[in-house]
Amino acid sequence: GAGVSQSPSNKVTEKGKDVELRCDPISGHTALYWYRQRLGQGLEFLIYFQGNSAPDKSGLPSDRFSAERTGESVSTLTIQRTQQEDSAVYLCASSFRDYYYEQYFGPGTRLTVT
Amino acid sequence: DAKTTQPTSMDCAEGRAANLPCNHSTISGNEYVYWYRQIHSQGPQYIIHGLKNNETNEMASLIITEDRKSSTLILPHATLRDTAVYYCIVHNAGNMLTFGGGTRLMVKP
Repeated sequence: GAGVSQSPSNKVTEKGKDVELRCDPISGHTALYWYRQRLGQGLEFLIYFQGNSAPDKSGLPSDRFSAERTGESVSTLTIQRTQQEDSAVYLCASSFRDYYYEQYFGPGTRLTVT
Repeated sequence: DAKTTQPTSMDCAEGRAANLPCNHSTISGNEYVYWYRQIHSQGPQYIIHGLKNNETNEMASLIITEDRKSSTLILPHATLRDTAVYYCIVHNAGNMLTFGGGTRLMVKP
């Protein structure tokens, strides 16, 4: 079946601009996660959505970062007033939390802030 | 979540078994051991997980010591496509993952 998809695959933006990244999780997956991966480093948790519960935003690095999810489907991660340190690959994952523990990752969006 | 320790890098000959170790001496009773891998320029891929019993699936086997302080991921017949960074993660199921440095496995012809 279809996996997690993300768009765009690459985004180049100027410092100070806002960007919006999109994630389409696997159908039926109630949990959705956003991570950030800087070049050569491990994953950094950003935010977690589970069903209709309030999202866990504990990983968001600043108030410039926000995310929304419509029900149990699409999610968007928005970065306002981008800075050069925001340059990274942004990864989305989903999981069928009730019965499975593994997370399925999308291919990521490579964000470059110039 | 418990901290894990993995070798930075390993080599393996194509067709041979790759044995990737992981130490997790501070693991608690309700924490699972997970393995993911990340092939260059791709998102991480789930491999296997376990609590205390050894596990096997179509990709790999996971051997967890009786005291649960360490584990080994076994790729029985490594191929060039198995070249990746392998992450050993210990945490409570269902929530966010914390990836450390991982082991960079290089499968050589």
